[in-house]
Parts: sequence; C-alpha cells; structure tokens
Amino acid sequence: SQQGEEDPQALSIQEGENATMNCSYKTSINNLQWYRQNSGRGLVHLILIRSNEREKHSGRLRVTLDTSKKSSSLLITASRAADTASYFCATDARGGGADGLTFGKGTHLIIQP
Amino acid sequence: ETGVTQSPTHLIKTRGQQVTLRCSSQSGHNTVSWYQQALGQGPQFIFQYYREEENGRGNFPPRFSGLQFPNYSSELNVNALELDDSALYLCASSSIAGGHQETQYFGPGTRLLVL
Repeated sequence: SQQGEEDPQALSIQEGENATMNCSYKTSINNLQWYRQNSGRGLVHLILIRSNEREKHSGRLRVTLDTSKKSSSLLITASRAADTASYFCATDARGGGADGLTFGKGTHLIIQP
Repeated sequence: ETGVTQSPTHLIKTRGQQVTLRCSSQSGHNTVSWYQQALGQGPQFIFQYYREEENGRGNFPPRFSGLQFPNYSSELNVNALELDDSALYLCASSSIAGGHQETQYFGPGTRLLVL
C-alpha cells in the first residue's frame, strides 16, 4: 500500500515560475525524501529531511516538513524545462531500512518553455 | 549517475515463466533494496538485503525471492510470472551503519513485460 499522497497529481507551469508540490503521509516517520523520475527511468534522489528538521534547502529546492500535520512540501524555484519529470515523496518509517521506503503516486510536473 | 547498474534494461517473458534480474550496487554500499513500479504508480517495496540476508520484506508473495552476493550485488527472482508482474523493477543501494540507513540510490531499472 502507498502511504504518501502527492498533490497535485499533475502540474503545468511556465518556465521561470515556481512549482510547489505537497505530500501527505499516514504514519510516524524517521525521515522523508523527495525523488525525481524522468520518463519511467530510475529515481534520482533530491533531498532528505529528518523528522526533527522543519526546512531544508538544496540549490533551487526547498523542502518543508510538518510532522504534526504529517505533510511535506517541495518548492522548485525558477523552473527550467529540464525540471519536467515526475516527483515522488518517500517516507522511511524506522530509519533502519527494514520496511523500505514508502512512496506516493507522484506529481507529474510539466515546464512549458 | 548513481553508480548503481541493472541488467537487462528490458525483458519480455511469457506467463508462467521465471525471470532473474540483476543489480550491482554503488561502491561502499552494503545494502540493496528492490522495488516494483507499475505504470502510473509509485514504487512499492519488495524486499531488502543486508550482508547477504533478507533484512525486510514488503507485501509480495514468496514467488518473489532474492539473493545478495559477497560483493553486495543482488538478484531478484520471480517464479510463475503473472501478467500483473509487468512493471519497472528498480534496485537501490545504500549503507546501513549503526542501525541507521542513509539515502537509497536507485539504478535505471529493468522493464519487464509479461505476455
């Protein structure tokens, strides 16, 4: 079963605009990660935020985590055509890996040139 | 590039057959996880191998089995293939140290089609 739910399912914006994706999950977590996937290929790790962190930045990416609401958001600033991809949040419940990562269904982001 | 490789890239099998998929983990990593991703869905955890033993398993039947070798590479075996096994199979390597797992790095995947 999938724990996370990304919102929206699909998002189309103009190049240069900011893109925001949200993720909600159901159980307590050790950390939450965001991944990007291009055209059904492998997943590229973007950022990991631990349960005791509230915000993290990496280049044009900003991730927030609200454990009280069991939600996270991914902001991509100044979007580029190359950002077109599917974005997934994944939760790690125990940190030891034995349960694997639990993914949502993803947000499909299209950047219009 | 993550350094995680998978083979083959594509595979077509017939219902009832058996298939073996392979994964080479990133240098320095001791853990391999396997995921199944159906079209339009997020990946689902199959199982994880750590130090050559199964370390955890998702909700998949026993006909999904695996191996991890001393060099930390891994195989995923699926017996008695069903049409619903058609999917992208992803492996991910990581490191577990002190009971804590770091980031999982994914390979490009093997796309399996069962006819």
